[in-house]
Amino acid sequence: SQQGEEDPQALSIQEGENATMNCSYKTSINNLQWYRQNSGRGLVHLILIRSNEREKHSGRLRVTLDTSKKSSSLLITASRAADTASYFCATDGAYNTDKLIFGTGTRLQVFP
Amino acid sequence: GAGVSQSPRYKVAKRGQDVALRCDPISGHVSLFWYQQALGQGPEFLTYFQNEAQLDKSGLPSDRFFAERPEGSVSTLKIQRTQQEDSAVYLCASRPWGEDQPQHFGDGTRLSIL
Repeated sequence: SQQGEEDPQALSIQEGENATMNCSYKTSINNLQWYRQNSGRGLVHLILIRSNEREKHSGRLRVTLDTSKKSSSLLITASRAADTASYFCATDGAYNTDKLIFGTGTRLQVFP
Repeated sequence: GAGVSQSPRYKVAKRGQDVALRCDPISGHVSLFWYQQALGQGPEFLTYFQNEAQLDKSGLPSDRFFAERPEGSVSTLKIQRTQQEDSAVYLCASRPWGEDQPQHFGDGTRLSIL
């Protein structure tokens, strides 16, 4: 079963705009990760945020984590057509740091 | 360097046939994971190996699913007496030893059961 929900399910924007995706999860965690998946390909790791962190940056990516609300957001700034993909959040369990539990994903379409 | 390699990329089988899916992890990666991804959904955990030991198989949907990693490197996911609901993409991931290491995914095997 999925860990939680992501919203929106789909997002369409123009190049240069910012894209924000949200993720909610259900259980306690050690960390939360964001992955990108291009059509027909595997998942690519983007960024990991630990449960004791509130915000993290990597290039054009900004991730926030609110453990009290069991939610996270991924912001992609100055989007490019190459950012078109599905984006998934994934959590480990606080007592099981091995398997990942994925959300339902956000399909991002960036138009040139 | 070489990433996680999965074969075949596509597999079509008739209902009732047995299939075997192969995963070559990144060299030196201790952990290996199998996930099942239905169309339009996120991946769902199937099973996990640390070296040759299968530490968690709680996600395997039935006893028709079997995974092995006999030498702690290559892994095979076998599905016996396939059913139409087994149609999905099967993803393999490997991870190096250490805290907060990300999983590295292969491109998956798309399995279609007719």
